[in-house]
Amino acid sequence: DTAVSQTPKYLVTQMGNDKSIKCEQNLGHDTMYWYKQDSKKFLKIMFSYNNKELIINETVPNRFSPKSPDKAHLNLHINSLELGDSAVYFCASSQLLGGGTNEKLFFGSGTQLSVL
Amino acid sequence: GDSVTQMEGPVTLSEEACLTINCTYTATGYPSLFWYVQYPGEGLQLLLKATKADDKGSNKGFEATYRKETTSFHLEKGSVQVSDSAVYFCALRGDDKIIFGKGTRLHILP
Repeated sequence: DTAVSQTPKYLVTQMGNDKSIKCEQNLGHDTMYWYKQDSKKFLKIMFSYNNKELIINETVPNRFSPKSPDKAHLNLHINSLELGDSAVYFCASSQLLGGGTNEKLFFGSGTQLSVL
Repeated sequence: GDSVTQMEGPVTLSEEACLTINCTYTATGYPSLFWYVQYPGEGLQLLLKATKADDKGSNKGFEATYRKETTSFHLEKGSVQVSDSAVYFCALRGDDKIIFGKGTRLHILP
């Protein structure tokens, strides 16, 4: 069973459209994240949700909005897509955010978004 | 703020060569340090970690030692294989998030 699954794997869309990427984890973790990886493989955190509460927003444009219906899901909605949004978006989860120094992130396999 | 700096890639080596990928960090306190690996077409996965000074993390022949005095966590392997070709990310855990370096792409030639 996949621990962190995200859909779709590939997403090709036109500029100006609104799209969503879904993420689910079956690990019972309390914290989920969205990372953006650009074409140079630079990985940057976008959001972190702990028990359905947003705790980090790394100056991401407000066209991006995370939605967490429950602690096993963290979806990413993107409005008015721009060419610069083209990237690979990774969902991840971990057990604890502030307490465990030994914890690790579990990543999904990524969603490659191409904005034309 | 906290940050991670790792050597620019790509790094190209022949099979069985020795590997070192440098990583240094800036952080308040004593963060946990990690190396993650991303194989082509996949998400990142944890390769090894160290949680305190002088700890050595190891996995799949890779090693890294937490050096507080030099704020470094260099990744090493004595003999690389073609299957080691991937992107390697150094990372640290700060108070409330994990921060990644920019990644180093490694190509191993047969």
